[in-house]
Amino acid sequence: GNSVTQMEGPVTLSEEAFLTINCTYTATGYPSLFWYVQYPGEGLQLLLKATKADDKGSNKGFEATYRKETTSFHLEKGSVQVSDSAVYFCALSDSTGGSYIPTFGRGTSLIVHP
Amino acid sequence: NAGVMQNPRHLVRRRGQEARLRCSPMKGHSHVYWYRQLPEEGLKFMVYLQKENIIDESGMPKERFSAEFPKEGPSILRIQQVVRGDSAAYFCASSPSPRGVTDTQYFGPGTRLTVL
Repeated sequence: GNSVTQMEGPVTLSEEAFLTINCTYTATGYPSLFWYVQYPGEGLQLLLKATKADDKGSNKGFEATYRKETTSFHLEKGSVQVSDSAVYFCALSDSTGGSYIPTFGRGTSLIVHP
Repeated sequence: NAGVMQNPRHLVRRRGQEARLRCSPMKGHSHVYWYRQLPEEGLKFMVYLQKENIIDESGMPKERFSAEFPKEGPSILRIQQVVRGDSAAYFCASSPSPRGVTDTQYFGPGTRLTVL
């Protein structure tokens, strides 16, 4: 079956530091990959996505590259802000069998200090 | 445009009571998905519904849980005879597309259920 593994949090950084949140996956087909962000008390919001190998998704200074050879989709940002503090979820969607129901990782909490 | 709405935002129940969670999808969306988020865990898919039909309930516990999406009104997730293990955040998402492509799912703010 499909699965997503994320690095455990919390990740604690100072403002303007470089961020990496690791994500690896297993899938039976050719999945699309996603990062979602969840701010406190809110639902998930799509942050970025990539639909095929070597694609780079980017949004709001965040980016992630679909690496098929390492089955990874690590999230990066060059300079984090306090407002980036949230929980980040890696997810995959695999159309094998006609279902697009996504599989989510456990989430990684990011705390950014001023 | 109003987003996906869920109510109540917080729900407290005693063991053995019933919990009813409501989800109003975005205007024009006829596909609804329910997820459960347990503490320190990711989202787990529960059920996918279209108007008046359950399309995929592979993630629903076999007992005590049910879901509906009537022709009129919100989608309802119903948990009968709640137990402490049901305490979690329950999220609803809606989509305009018939295939449930992930990037077109819009999430509500969730209902946090606490079972005493």
